[in-house]
Amino acid sequence: NAGVMQNPRHLVRRRGQEARLRCSPMKGHSHVYWYRQLPEEGLKFMVYLQKENIIDESGMPKERFSAEFPKEGPSILRIQQVVRGDSAAYFCASSPTSGSYNEQFFGPGTRLTVL
Amino acid sequence: AQKVTQAQTEISVVEKEDVTLDCVYETRDTTYYLFWYKQPPSGELVFLIRRNSFDEQNEISGRYSWNFQKSTSSFNFTITASQVVDSAVYFCALYSPYGGSQGNLIFGKGTKLSVKP
Repeated sequence: NAGVMQNPRHLVRRRGQEARLRCSPMKGHSHVYWYRQLPEEGLKFMVYLQKENIIDESGMPKERFSAEFPKEGPSILRIQQVVRGDSAAYFCASSPTSGSYNEQFFGPGTRLTVL
Repeated sequence: AQKVTQAQTEISVVEKEDVTLDCVYETRDTTYYLFWYKQPPSGELVFLIRRNSFDEQNEISGRYSWNFQKSTSSFNFTITASQVVDSAVYFCALYSPYGGSQGNLIFGKGTKLSVKP
């Protein structure tokens, strides 16, 4: 049973470009969470999605960031017009039911570098 | 407000020493879950343990043990006879199902453990 998959593992963008990060949850998991880890920091929650629905986006920056989890295909975290401060590791997690009760399984992360 | 504090930013020990990583949490909820994750140099997050607030029994798994004390809001992690492979950043995290933010794990800033041979 494959774990949570994220791609790309490393992404380099220049300021002003768009970054698209993909997350495929574990088989049978319909809940996806995105977290951001800034250098030397812990992970900070960004958004929680179920298929075709955003459940909680309280941790998402109001501008330039968006997330989706379509009926088919991976969840996408999209960052428009990236700035240097967006450089971070972005982790995706999935769970079979809501909340962390059943533990969130984390992917390997995507490391975004903005030049 | 919910918060996790890992006061130790970095710890360095010599192999075979015991080491305890501290975690103090804040929550007003009576039902909550506490977690420890390991992040080795390769960067992925490895789940170590989950405890719920109603189970204060300490747990031992091989060289790892956890001490959960509600009276002091602490969930400390001890590695016995540390090994070089234990070198990693360790995160403590809190989840409260009724805390308002669904699915949101609150992480501490992590403790970087270096085990020297």
